[in-house]
Amino acid sequence: NAGVTQTPKFQVLKTGQSMTLQCAQDMNHNSMYWYRQDPGMGLRLIYYSASEGTTDKGEVPNGYNVSRLNKREFSLRLESAAPSQTSVYFCASSEGLGFHNYGYTFGSGTRLTVV
Amino acid sequence: QKEVEQNSGPLSVPEGAIASLNCTYSDRGSQSFFWYRQYSGKSPELIMFIYSNGDKEDGRFTAQLNKASQYVSLLIRDSQPSDSATYLCAVATVGYSTLTFGKGTMLLVSP
Repeated sequence: NAGVTQTPKFQVLKTGQSMTLQCAQDMNHNSMYWYRQDPGMGLRLIYYSASEGTTDKGEVPNGYNVSRLNKREFSLRLESAAPSQTSVYFCASSEGLGFHNYGYTFGSGTRLTVV
Repeated sequence: QKEVEQNSGPLSVPEGAIASLNCTYSDRGSQSFFWYRQYSGKSPELIMFIYSNGDKEDGRFTAQLNKASQYVSLLIRDSQPSDSATYLCAVATVGYSTLTFGKGTMLLVSP
């Protein structure tokens, strides 16, 4: 019962390098999300995919791109990493936020440091 | 702009006491409310959700919702040191596909 799996768990990048954070869920959820969490800033939404085939910007999308590869997988790409992107990144999934819903299930996170 | 406000804390309580965590939200269209617990260095995990005005109990946890006052709270009875964590309040609004999170309240339970 894996739930939401994120890879890698830790990563150090040099400024200007690119990388892709991977996320997969096995709960047949429709919606998937990428958040970043910084001290004092809480969880901030980067991008989300309400359903397979759709993606939308969140609160802090600049410097990131996403791909909803299929219903299970939602990746986050940093094209040219900057020190300001040093953060903990969480992927989450949900059945979808209808009138009654059950919230998100989070992955274990990726700790990214950009030097 | 939907906002969810929480006191950052830390809220310090002795073991065995009741911890009361509070959250206010700005959007009257909000219809679902969630409490997540996050241990240091870990990911958030869902504790409870509540949709209707009133109280909802689950073990030592009670969620309370007052939509008229736009207020939701989490009570933890018989607090244990293992309850020491940051508690995140999250809100879902009809027509939106995402949750809005508060910044969290740190709870410290001393033995």
